[in-house]
Amino acid sequence: TQLLEQSPQFLSIQEGENLTVYCNSSSVFSSLQWYRQEPGEGPVLLVTVVTGGEVKKLKRLTFQFGDARKDSSLHITAAQPGDTGLYLCAGRGGATNKLIFGTGTLLAVQP
Amino acid sequence: DVKVTQSSRYLVKRTGEKVFLECVQDMDHENMFWYRQDPGLGLRLIYFSYDVKMKEKGDIPEGYSVSREKKERFSLILESASTNQTSMYLCASSSPAGAFGYTFGSGTRLTVV
Repeated sequence: TQLLEQSPQFLSIQEGENLTVYCNSSSVFSSLQWYRQEPGEGPVLLVTVVTGGEVKKLKRLTFQFGDARKDSSLHITAAQPGDTGLYLCAGRGGATNKLIFGTGTLLAVQP
Repeated sequence: DVKVTQSSRYLVKRTGEKVFLECVQDMDHENMFWYRQDPGLGLRLIYFSYDVKMKEKGDIPEGYSVSREKKERFSLILESASTNQTSMYLCASSSPAGAFGYTFGSGTRLTVV
């Protein structure tokens, strides 16, 4: 069974701080996605990374796919209260090519 | 704006009841999925469907069944609800290649008492 572990599980920071969330697996994925879920809503896709070593930027968010396509990171610069939410990574691969979701990182940004 | 709509945001049911969770998407997506979300466990796939009248078991199908009679609608059925099925249930849809990711509904928080 493919597993995706995220760290940290919880993160509470002050507005303006930087942070990094990690998503790790022993399995190789053909692509990896990051989602953000706000309270009372379903997850919303932020980005898809496909190539090993790929880096994508979305305003203050930087996403990186590991060279071996087994891990990924999300870095947020100068966090804002609007960044608060549950961040989920999801890898696609294996025989079924379905998405496997990580355990999630709950981020709280205090004003 | 494309949408996945789940019929109820909150449900409270009694142990042993048969429960229906409905999901409708307006994107003409072939693929539809049912997940449950529990703290510390992430999203776990219950069932999915790649086409009308087609279904496949996910990672935790026990105690659940599904129905897909029309392309836009995917129903999750709890045959006899139990307290360990108290959870947030999320429906999602995607195009066949899934290149644009999954579109999720807002979820149904089910409490079984």
